[in-house]
Amino acid sequence: NAGVTQTPKFQVLKTGQSMTLQCAQDMNHEYMSWYRQDPGMGLRLIHYSVGAGITDQGEVPNGYNVSRSTTEDFPLRLLSAAPSQTSVYFCASSRGQDSEKLFFGSGTQLSVL
Amino acid sequence: DAKTTQPTSMDCAEGRAANLPCNHSTISGNEYVYWYRQIHSQGPQYIIHGLKNNETNEMASLIITEDRKSSTLILPHATLRDTAVYYCIVTRRAAGNKLTFGGGTRVLVKP
Repeated sequence: NAGVTQTPKFQVLKTGQSMTLQCAQDMNHEYMSWYRQDPGMGLRLIHYSVGAGITDQGEVPNGYNVSRSTTEDFPLRLLSAAPSQTSVYFCASSRGQDSEKLFFGSGTQLSVL
Repeated sequence: DAKTTQPTSMDCAEGRAANLPCNHSTISGNEYVYWYRQIHSQGPQYIIHGLKNNETNEMASLIITEDRKSSTLILPHATLRDTAVYYCIVTRRAAGNKLTFGGGTRVLVKP
């Protein structure tokens, strides 16, 4: 199993551009989520999904959209990138809504100029 | 979720046990203690979790005080690869996958 795969690993955007961060897992996990980590800080939850077709907001959802059309994929969309969205983004998954163990991807480092 | 307090950083000698403290004095009865670590630039990695009993797995041991107001993560024989930021998180089991990561403890294992 590859686990949780994130692409791209690095991305540079100009202010106002849009892009989609990809996240895929091959563990048949129901729960998936997106976090952002700013320099020297802990992780903050952006959006999460408890199953295909179901998404909800986390702590810092503004400026981000998500959808979950399949169990495997959970893309994160930035519609109009802003410098404040410069961060490292991590995708995570777990077996179920009350699962105790989160599996994280290796992250996407995003810079918005 | 209960607030946690961890030292900002600590050093540990290679081959010795590393004892990482965490204070969670406002923990409630249905909240679990989780530990994750983040090795430089990588995604966080689950280590262990517990409710009130001490727990051990292949990576570490978790000791929770009887009043549950503090806990200690023990890495029995620290290696250089254990150098990482260690996060102590307290949350309900049902929210165990909506974790809030604070600053953590930066652990440096020295040869």
